Amino acid sequence: KAGVTQTPRYLIKTRGQQVTLSCSPISGHRSVSWYQQTPGQGLQFLFEYFSETQRNKGNFPGRFSGRQFSNSRSEMNVSTLELGDSALYLCASSGEYEQFFGPGTRLTVL
Amino acid sequence: GQQVMQIPQYQHVQEGEDFTTYCNSSTTLSNIQWYKQRPGGHPVFLIQLVKSGEVKKQKRLTFQFGEAKKNSSLHITATQTTDVGTYFCAGSSGGSNYKLTFGKGTLLTVNP
Repeated sequence: KAGVTQTPRYLIKTRGQQVTLSCSPISGHRSVSWYQQTPGQGLQFLFEYFSETQRNKGNFPGRFSGRQFSNSRSEMNVSTLELGDSALYLCASSGEYEQFFGPGTRLTVL
Repeated sequence: GQQVMQIPQYQHVQEGEDFTTYCNSSTTLSNIQWYKQRPGGHPVFLIQLVKSGEVKKQKRLTFQFGEAKKNSSLHITATQTTDVGTYFCAGSSGGSNYKLTFGKGTLLTVNP
């Protein structure tokens, strides 16, 4: 089976812009979770989608949003980018209990 | 909210030495998972512990879940250079495996 894929792999934006990141889970996986990883805060849970519905949500401002499509592909959107949003954004699809992470999107906000 | 603390933050060892990282949760967990992230890579699932007092082994790695299901440890015997990376514990509560709270990880470096 192909692994979790994320596009784009790298992105540079400026403050105030918005960005959309994409994630394709492992075939057959219906749950997709998103995490933000930074050196200072580690891995922080953003949200989780299952069958097109947001099932869990972390403690991030409303500028961070996501959605899931009927084919389980997921997107996350960050509006009005701030310098502090620079991070590695990881998506993970869930098997029986473990999470399979994608390679991540490295977002740099200038 | 739930917090998961992990220590130490960094550990440097000589090849062949043992290594242990510890994880403590502010709340009782339904299960705990461990992941490894190589430098420049993404987290890779290692194991899940569910039962109170559970001990699992994977070759040189030994994982333990505390009796109160609030702490866990990962012990590596006789480290090798291939063990280099950041080890994360991740806990979930309330029966959901899909809202994991990760510790900040322990970065292990091994001197050959």
